[in-house]
Amino acid sequence: ETGVTQSPTHLIKTRGQQVTLRCSSQSGHNTVSWYQQALGQGPQFIFQYYREEENGRGNFPPRFSGLQFPNYSSELNVNALELDDSALYLCASSLALTGRHQETQYFGPGTRLLVL
Amino acid sequence: GNSVTQMEGPVTLSEEAFLTINCTYTATGYPSLFWYVQYPGEGLQLLLKATKADDKGSNKGFEATYRKETTSFHLEKGSVQVSDSAVYFCALISSDSGNTGKLIFGQGTTLQVKP
Repeated sequence: ETGVTQSPTHLIKTRGQQVTLRCSSQSGHNTVSWYQQALGQGPQFIFQYYREEENGRGNFPPRFSGLQFPNYSSELNVNALELDDSALYLCASSLALTGRHQETQYFGPGTRLLVL
Repeated sequence: GNSVTQMEGPVTLSEEAFLTINCTYTATGYPSLFWYVQYPGEGLQLLLKATKADDKGSNKGFEATYRKETTSFHLEKGSVQVSDSAVYFCALISSDSGNTGKLIFGQGTTLQVKP
């Protein structure tokens, strides 16, 4: 069974640039959630995708956007990068059997983004 | 709103000591509760979970009991090892989060175990 994978592992961008982060969900999972973890903090929910549709969003501006593909992999896009976007970005996958989403989420290793 | 509060760290223990990391929560409905662990430079790993009141989650010698009356989910281990040194996060998913599985995390507690 393949776990959650993310790419790239590290990324350095400058303010104003755009970035795309990628996530492959665990085999058989149909839901992907994205979190931002600032240094020394707990992860903060960005949004969740279920069956290729956004299924809830946290308190993040519209320049944070995402996609989920038919194979349930996902992308997180951030436009107009700001210095405060520097963080570890975590992807988590889960299997929603009935459309409810209280199931366990399994995390990838994360992408560490540094904005200069 | 829903929230999770963990005891402040860092927690420093000697090997084989008893560990308790306190976690309390505020949530409407019947949340599912989780403990995740993060080793340096890595993502989060699920340690244990409980989905209803009085359930006990356990894994690798760690235990936590879902206490609805005290809204708590304290993490315990009888004898810690140096390899348990990590950051521990308590988290919940609320049952009334509008069908979105949004994990709400505490701020994390750093555990350092000395030989």
